[in-house]
Amino acid sequence: DAEITQSPRHKITETGRQVTLACHQTWNHNNMFWYRQDLGHGLRLIHYSYGVHDTNKGEVSDGYSVSRSNTEDLPLTLESAASSQTSVYFCASSESGRSYEQYFGPGTRLTVT
Amino acid sequence: ILNVEQSPQSLHVQEGDSTNFTCSFPSSNFYALHWYRWETAKSPEALFVMTLNGDEKKKGRISATLNTKEGYSYLYIKGSQPEDSATYLCAFTSGALNFGKGTSLLVTP
Repeated sequence: DAEITQSPRHKITETGRQVTLACHQTWNHNNMFWYRQDLGHGLRLIHYSYGVHDTNKGEVSDGYSVSRSNTEDLPLTLESAASSQTSVYFCASSESGRSYEQYFGPGTRLTVT
Repeated sequence: ILNVEQSPQSLHVQEGDSTNFTCSFPSSNFYALHWYRWETAKSPEALFVMTLNGDEKKKGRISATLNTKEGYSYLYIKGSQPEDSATYLCAFTSGALNFGKGTSLLVTP
């Protein structure tokens, strides 16, 4: 069965370190998204991609970067982790177009100390 | 940033009650309105995607309506059950998805 996975599921890191969160989907979806979930804010879009080599900034992109070298993967990198980036991160994917439901990964809980 | 508002923020009903929530969104540049169900410690799961004004969708006891001209959507749950307890998110897209903060539903026996 097709799926979307995230790794690691839990991560503790120190302020200033570079951290990369992995997202891998086997749906063969062109669209992939990264969100963060914070109390009082719901889900906020960090970055998204509509295909290989395409990336776009979302609402809260500062301090994060992504690259899309193949269809299956969209890794999210925190260049220099800050305590404000402690959050739960969700990756999602969907078929091309704006009217298709998104399939979410299980989430990564990141703690920056 | 496109403002998507959901109300109420939380709701507590008894088993068997019917309930409904509201999602308000910008009525311009509309492409689609999504509803997701999000159980604690799990990932959001899609319920409906609606694109046309007047759309009505149904899945079991859950249904949704869409009014794109006035910018709102309703989600209805008929005969709520404890397993319906979750956060219900709506999301509006004119490009990427913009999520509301959700309505947290608790159904007690």
